[in-house]
Amino acid sequence: KQEVTQIPAALSVPEGENLVLNCSFTDSAIYNLQWFRQDPGKGLTSLLLIQSSQREQTSGRLNASLDKSSGRSTLYIAASQPGDSATYLCAVPTGGGNKLTFGTGTQLKVEL
Amino acid sequence: GAVVSQHPSWVICKSGTSVKIECRSLDFQATTMFWYRQFPKQSLMLMATSNEGSKATYEQGVEKDKFLINHASLTLSTLTVTSAHPEDSSFYICSATPLRDRVNYGYTFGSGTRLTVV
Repeated sequence: KQEVTQIPAALSVPEGENLVLNCSFTDSAIYNLQWFRQDPGKGLTSLLLIQSSQREQTSGRLNASLDKSSGRSTLYIAASQPGDSATYLCAVPTGGGNKLTFGTGTQLKVEL
Repeated sequence: GAVVSQHPSWVICKSGTSVKIECRSLDFQATTMFWYRQFPKQSLMLMATSNEGSKATYEQGVEKDKFLINHASLTLSTLTVTSAHPEDSSFYICSATPLRDRVNYGYTFGSGTRLTVV
């Protein structure tokens, strides 16, 4: 059974800091990994989708890496801003690729 | 990009009544949509997988008669919470992926529905 863990569970940083969020998964037989952002009381916004054949994917100040063999992915946020405050979730397809298993989430707060 | 619309965004209903939540894929077709439930400060819990033209597949522990799912077309799935009770109060989110290309497009989520049963 796929298990996805994220550390840290919560993070509070001053504005401008670069930070790394971690995601680990137990079953490396995945074809992609997706990072999402969730604001309080809202749905999920897809940030980055990284294919199993890729090692990195970038969008603006965000960079996601994937190491399938070690079962790890990281989300790097450069020059953090208060607007980045949200919960970040990683997810991998399971059940034959037709379902998503979510990580436990990292709640980020970027302070002025 | 793929867009999923969910309606309503919030609803308050009386105990014993039924509530219907809609999930639409606006610019792509999806044979499969997913319904999740989220409790405060917790991650998403998959409730059921909605299949166009066939019965939904429910996760273990989810009551089929309580949470009725209909996927009548390639762009619309509905979740009906029947005979709602206060313990059904929660945040419900749907998700969908383009028919042939979920490997490249991943999953897109609706904006969620906050259900409060009084």
